[in-house]
Amino acid sequence: GNSVTQMEGPVTLSEEAFLTINCTYTATGYPSLFWYVQYPGEGLQLLLKATKADDKGSNKGFEATYRKETTSFHLEKGSVQVSDSAVYFCALRGAGNNRKLIWGLGTSLAVNP
Amino acid sequence: KAGVTQTPRYLIKTRGQQVTLSCSPISGHRSVSWYQQTPGQGLQFLFEYFSETQRNKGNFPGRFSGRQFSNSRSEMNVSTLELGDSALYLCASSLDWRSEGQFFGPGTRLTVL
Repeated sequence: GNSVTQMEGPVTLSEEAFLTINCTYTATGYPSLFWYVQYPGEGLQLLLKATKADDKGSNKGFEATYRKETTSFHLEKGSVQVSDSAVYFCALRGAGNNRKLIWGLGTSLAVNP
Repeated sequence: KAGVTQTPRYLIKTRGQQVTLSCSPISGHRSVSWYQQTPGQGLQFLFEYFSETQRNKGNFPGRFSGRQFSNSRSEMNVSTLELGDSALYLCASSLDWRSEGQFFGPGTRLTVL
C-alpha cells in the first residue's frame, strides 16, 4: 500500500540556517504530495502541494519538488526564522479513487534566535 | 469565513463507554474527513464523507463509525472505548472529494481512563 517516510526529529537550527526535511514515499501511479505544518497550539495547515512529477510547491519561503525518479518530496527553506518552529508533516493522496491522505510521522523543528 | 469547528475540544471518558464527536465544515464544503493523531502512530485516516456517503474508510475496527448530515456536518462515534483510543481526533473539510487541499479543525482531545 501507499506509505510516507519522513526524517525523524527533532531538528534544531539557528535562525537564518538552511532547512531540509526529507520525505520519501511509496505509491502506485501518480499521487499528489503535500506538506502540512502544525504550529504550537494550532491546527494543521496546508503549507504547499504538488500534484504531478517535477512540480514545485512553494509558500512562505518553503519549497518542495515532486521527484518521481527518487520518490521524494523534500522540504527546504533557505533561511529559517524563529516563527517557523512547528511540526511538519509530509503526506500523500493516492491516485484514482483511493484518495485518502497517508501521513508521515511528523518532524519537529525548533529554531533558536 | 469561519473555519472548521469541532466540539467538544476536550473529553474524558472511561473504558467501555461510547463517545460522539462533532465537526462542522467550512461553509460550502461538502467533504469531511476524520483522522486520529497519536504520538506513536502519527496521523491515521479514519473515514471520508461526501454528500452523506462514506467514500473512503481507513483500517480501524467497526467500533469507529461516522455519518454526515445533509448540511455537511459530520459526527464520528466510538463505542466500547479502549485505553488505546486516547488521541487527538481531527476533522478536515474540503470543497468536494476531488479537492487537493484540506482545512483542518483544532481537534477533539479524547482521554480514556
